[in-house]
Amino acid sequence: NAGVTQTPKFQVLKTGQSMTLQCAQDMNHEYMSWYRQDPGMGLRLIHYSVGAGITDQGEVPNGYNVSRSTTEDFPLRLLSAAPSQTSVYFCASSGQVNTEAFFGQGTRLTVV
Amino acid sequence: KNEVEQSPQNLTAQEGEFITINCSYSVGISALHWLQQHPGGGIVSLFMLSSGKKKHGRLIATINIQEKHSSLHITASHPRDSAVYICARGQGAQKLVFGQGTRLTINP
Repeated sequence: NAGVTQTPKFQVLKTGQSMTLQCAQDMNHEYMSWYRQDPGMGLRLIHYSVGAGITDQGEVPNGYNVSRSTTEDFPLRLLSAAPSQTSVYFCASSGQVNTEAFFGQGTRLTVV
Repeated sequence: KNEVEQSPQNLTAQEGEFITINCSYSVGISALHWLQQHPGGGIVSLFMLSSGKKKHGRLIATINIQEKHSSLHITASHPRDSAVYICARGQGAQKLVFGQGTRLTINP
């Protein structure tokens, strides 16, 4: 049982480049989210989804796009990378509203 | 002021000691999560609480809804318990609001 799988684990981008962070879960979870973790800031919500075809913005959505075409996948797109987007990104999923959250292993992104 | 406050921020103890990490939140919640993160590692869910107390092995989590306060206890602590412990309020995986984390170091 793979749980929540994030790829890649590490990525270095140049300012202005675009890329997609992949997140897939095999637990048939409706709820999925993207968070970024920065020193001194803790984890903050970027975007979330409550089901296929439904997404919404979190606390820090600027510079990121998401889509949810299937229940399993929730990719995060960086449109034009900036050094301020250097962070560790975590994808999470859960089955129902008040249930345990499962996290991916994280993607460490550096923008130079 | 963060909606979720943890204390202490850092904690160093000797193996075998009883550990308590506290979490206070400022708004009503439907659930409170305790998470564990090892250095360079992913995040693992330890507990999700909406009332009372839960126990898993040497870990115990309690919550007082009226006082908006939760605690995570570790009995007979061990060096492998060294990690960052994070509390978060929210509903499932979406819209979690996290505390800053408590860095725990257990020395042999």
